Amino acid sequence: DVKVTQSSRYLVKRTGEKVFLECVQDMDHENMFWYRQDPGLGLRLIYFSYDVKMKEKGDIPEGYSVSREKKERFSLILESASTNQTSMYLCASSNSKSSYEQYFGPGTRLTVT
Amino acid sequence: ILNVEQSPQSLHVQEGDSTNFTCSFPSSNFYALHWYRWETAKSPEALFVMTLNGDEKKKGRISATLNTKEGYSYLYIKGSQPEDSATYLCALVSGYSTLTFGKGTMLLVSP
Repeated sequence: DVKVTQSSRYLVKRTGEKVFLECVQDMDHENMFWYRQDPGLGLRLIYFSYDVKMKEKGDIPEGYSVSREKKERFSLILESASTNQTSMYLCASSNSKSSYEQYFGPGTRLTVT
Repeated sequence: ILNVEQSPQSLHVQEGDSTNFTCSFPSSNFYALHWYRWETAKSPEALFVMTLNGDEKKKGRISATLNTKEGYSYLYIKGSQPEDSATYLCALVSGYSTLTFGKGTMLLVSP
């Protein structure tokens, strides 16, 4: 069974802290994605990666960076957390074999105080 | 940025009612269209992946149609049940295998 896991379900951090959100998939998918979900705005793409060590900016990359050192792991980094980064963060993965159907992790609800 | 519109924004129906939602998109930018169901406290899960004009897909009481020439897709739920309560997301596949999501339709089915 397809599985995407995220390191934390809930996280509380202080303004200015460096925050790491980890995502791991066990499906050997080449593509991985980070989204944030905010009320009234839907799912918005932050960054994505289509191969190890490759990364591409999504629609809202400001204030974030990513790392993909291994195929199964994709990390989202908030270099200096701010209150406007309080959100639900979802990781997903896909491959080309099923018209890029994405498989999502359970999400991390991050609160920055 | 592609514009994927979904309507209505929310819907409240009674158990047994049939309902439908709309997803509209620029017809010139099309590779595939996905429908996802996102239940509270769970991960979004794919319902349908549609690629061809005129495509019709069905899963139990839920079905979807696709018109790429006019840029819309409909999702139908026949005889809604409380367990159908969820947010239904439409997404368009574009370059680099990325998805552009609509804002979703939130469905609440009352017993």
